[in-house]
This record gives sequence, C-alpha cells and structure tokens, in this order.
Amino acid sequence: AQSVTQPDIHITVSEGASLELRCNYSYGATPYLFWYVQSPGQGLQLLLKYFSGDTLVQGIKGFEAEFKRSQSSFNLRKPSVHWSDAAEYFCAVGPSGTYKYIFGTGTRLKVLA
Amino acid sequence: DAGVIQSPRHEVTEMGQEVTLRCKPISGHDYLFWYRQTMMRGLELLIYFNNNVPIDDSGMPEDRFSAKMPNASFSTLKIQPSEPRDSAVYFCASSSGGAASSYNEQFFGPGTRLTVL
Repeated sequence: AQSVTQPDIHITVSEGASLELRCNYSYGATPYLFWYVQSPGQGLQLLLKYFSGDTLVQGIKGFEAEFKRSQSSFNLRKPSVHWSDAAEYFCAVGPSGTYKYIFGTGTRLKVLA
Repeated sequence: DAGVIQSPRHEVTEMGQEVTLRCKPISGHDYLFWYRQTMMRGLELLIYFNNNVPIDDSGMPEDRFSAKMPNASFSTLKIQPSEPRDSAVYFCASSSGGAASSYNEQFFGPGTRLTVL
C-alpha cells in the first residue's frame, strides 16, 4: 500500500539556520510528490512538486526539495529560515492513475528568534 | 481570483444535529475535493468530483456523510446526524485536470472548523 512518512512531528530551528524536513514514501513506481505548507488557521499552500526530470526541485519562498529514488525520499530544504516559515509542512504522494493524494502526518516547524 | 471559498469558517453544533458545509471552487476548475483533518488521522480525502460528478467516495466515513455538487461553482458536505467524533477541520480543494495535468496543484480553501458537542 502507498504511504508517506514524515518522521519528525516537531522541529525547532533558530532564525537564519538551515532546515531539512524529511519525507519518505512507499510506492511501487515513481510517484508524483508534493510539499504543502499550512499556516495557523489557513488552508494548505503548495510549495513545490516533482513529477519527473531534474531531481532537485525549486519552489516558492526559497524552498527546494530533492527526490532520491534509492532512498524513497523527498526531503524539503531551505538554506536560511525566516520567522515567517513557522507553520506545518505536509509531504504528499499522488499515485499515478488517481487524483488521490496521500498526505503525511505533517511536521510542525517552530522558529526561534 | 478569490480562491476556494468555504463557509462557515467555524461551526459549533450539538450531537444529532444536521451540519452542512459549503464550498465554492475556483472558477474554471473541474475537480473538487473534500478533506478532513484531525490530530489522530491527519488529512484524509473524503470524496472528489470531476465535472460535478462524484468519482471516488471511498473515503466517506459512513452513511451519515453525504456530498453533492449541483453545479460547477458549488458543493456541499452534509453530516446527518452529527456526532462528537466528527469534530475536525474540513477542507475543500479544487484543481484543473486534463490529460497532461493529472496532478495539477490542488488549491485549498481555509477550512471549516467543526465542533460537535
């Protein structure tokens, strides 16, 4: 069965520090992969997506993610975190042939001033 | 564009009452999704529509839940009767599909926070 794992429930970083949020998926073929961000009281906003091609994907707000097939991972990174990045981040998989995203359980990011 | 619009933003009701959540997708989008978010189960897809037709409702938890999309600009999710375990945030999302765009971005509304007492 397809699944998405975000091993870190909470992460705290200092403003200006680098960030990496982990995402592992289980799927038989190359999946379509997404990262969404949810600010408090808001809906989800797409940060970036990977369908094929270059395994390093650039997104909005200075985020990037790298698809590593050998590790079944799609980790999200940002070189320097801003206080406004504090939010919850969701990784999602879109198995081919359906529109049914499978979301991870999310990682809540706290940014220290 | 106003984005996906959901109403109400907050709903508090008593067990046994009927609850109706509303969604207006982005104009021109032909896919509409209803999700439920809880601490225990995370974000779950309940049902999705294509061109106003329900395509997959396998995520609908039970017969107390029903969803309709009478036209391209409006959808409802109804719970009757409601129970405390239905308390959650319900999101509506829309996207534009197509042969080469099966995984176009889903645009989410702000959600409706439902509390059933």
